[in-house]
Amino acid sequence: SAVISQKPSRDICQRGTSLTIQCQVDSQVTMMFWYRQQPGQSLTLIATANQGSEATYESGFVIDKFPISRPNLTFSTLTVSNMSPEDSSIYLCSVVEVTGYQETQYFGPGTRLLVL
Amino acid sequence: LAKTTQPISMDSYEGQEVNITCSHNNIATNDYITWYQQFPSQGPRFIIQGYKTKVTNEVASLFIPADRKSSTLSLPRVSLSDTAVYYCLVGGLSGGYNKLIFGAGTRLAVHP
Repeated sequence: SAVISQKPSRDICQRGTSLTIQCQVDSQVTMMFWYRQQPGQSLTLIATANQGSEATYESGFVIDKFPISRPNLTFSTLTVSNMSPEDSSIYLCSVVEVTGYQETQYFGPGTRLLVL
Repeated sequence: LAKTTQPISMDSYEGQEVNITCSHNNIATNDYITWYQQFPSQGPRFIIQGYKTKVTNEVASLFIPADRKSSTLSLPRVSLSDTAVYYCLVGGLSGGYNKLIFGAGTRLAVHP
């Protein structure tokens, strides 16, 4: 399976600042996603990171707040802008690996963000 | 996107077999069924994936009836380290990948 790493693994930030989270995959993948998991909750899809074009955001998430870059098939960044305490969550990068007709989604270890 | 329903929580004891059933009445022809395990403060870990009948790997078995409207994850002889949240998801097939949408999951507690 694809090996996914995220940086930073955790951070504590002040409100009003921004944090950029990096996701690196050890192989080229077509599909990459960003999820958020708030404390005690399930995962919520933020957006699909499209290589060479603008990300596709889910309802409730906007580019100004969560700008995403996808410069190539192995790397993506998610920025959490103008942070507030409500942004305290685990942010997860996810990729799809294709084997024959089967597509399997794998997740990174997550970035734990605390906003004070 | 198919919606899934699974029990909120389950309790078991070490050495027992645990079966977690998930219903997905609106599953599409192109959808696979995938199960993930998640420990606190970690990303979800892929357990098993199947399309129909039975799939088995070194970790678990997945039973899918002919109508594919439900599936059962079977964990043989659980240990304390199997205490985690288990998610059942449907979606994803080559040529029309549907992003996976997570439900609430099943919180499994394994007791000594």
